[in-house]
Amino acid sequence: SQTIHQWPATLVQPVGSPLSLECTVEGTSNPNLYWYRQAAGRGLQLLFYSVGIGQISSEVPQNLSASRPQDRQFILSSKKLLLSDSGFYLCAWSAGSFSGNTIYFGEGSWLTVV
Amino acid sequence: LAKTTQPISMDSYEGQEVNITCSHNNIATNDYITWYQQFPSQGPRFIIQGYKTKVTNEVASLFIPADRKSSTLSLPRVSLSDTAVYYCLYGGATNKLIFGTGTLLAVQP
Repeated sequence: SQTIHQWPATLVQPVGSPLSLECTVEGTSNPNLYWYRQAAGRGLQLLFYSVGIGQISSEVPQNLSASRPQDRQFILSSKKLLLSDSGFYLCAWSAGSFSGNTIYFGEGSWLTVV
Repeated sequence: LAKTTQPISMDSYEGQEVNITCSHNNIATNDYITWYQQFPSQGPRFIIQGYKTKVTNEVASLFIPADRKSSTLSLPRVSLSDTAVYYCLYGGATNKLIFGTGTLLAVQP
């Protein structure tokens, strides 16, 4: 069966520090991968999605970036965090791009920028 | 944008049937309608998906009228553990699906 893992689960980072969140998917190949962010009491905002290695699409301009160095690995990064980057970050995958595909989410990572 | 309209919150009691309706006036011919459930500090989880008429699985039913401009998620005999946020989505591609603020369902004893 397919599983998705992301880490770390929680982190507290000072303003201006770098960020790296990692996500891996097991049990499937060539998945679509996604990074979402959820602010407290808000809906999910799609940040990045990828349909293949090295192929990243950014949905929202910001100081975050994403990379997909391997088929089932997706990394969210920042060189300098802002207070507004605080939130709940979710990695997800789907088998394809058609909206009929189910999106499977990881456990989430809580980021607090102080 | 594939924007939906659903109630911000709903209250219910254990054992009742809960119906959450979502409006999606701009739905396209090929779009599926999907509902997700989210508990605090967890990622959303797929509940049910449909294209038209009625779909039923082990946890919910989904009713979609002929014009497909709305859909109703039906949760039979809710329990306290059904307290969560419920999202209605539609769209032509997974990267176009919009998880709005959803409907916060609060089930009381």
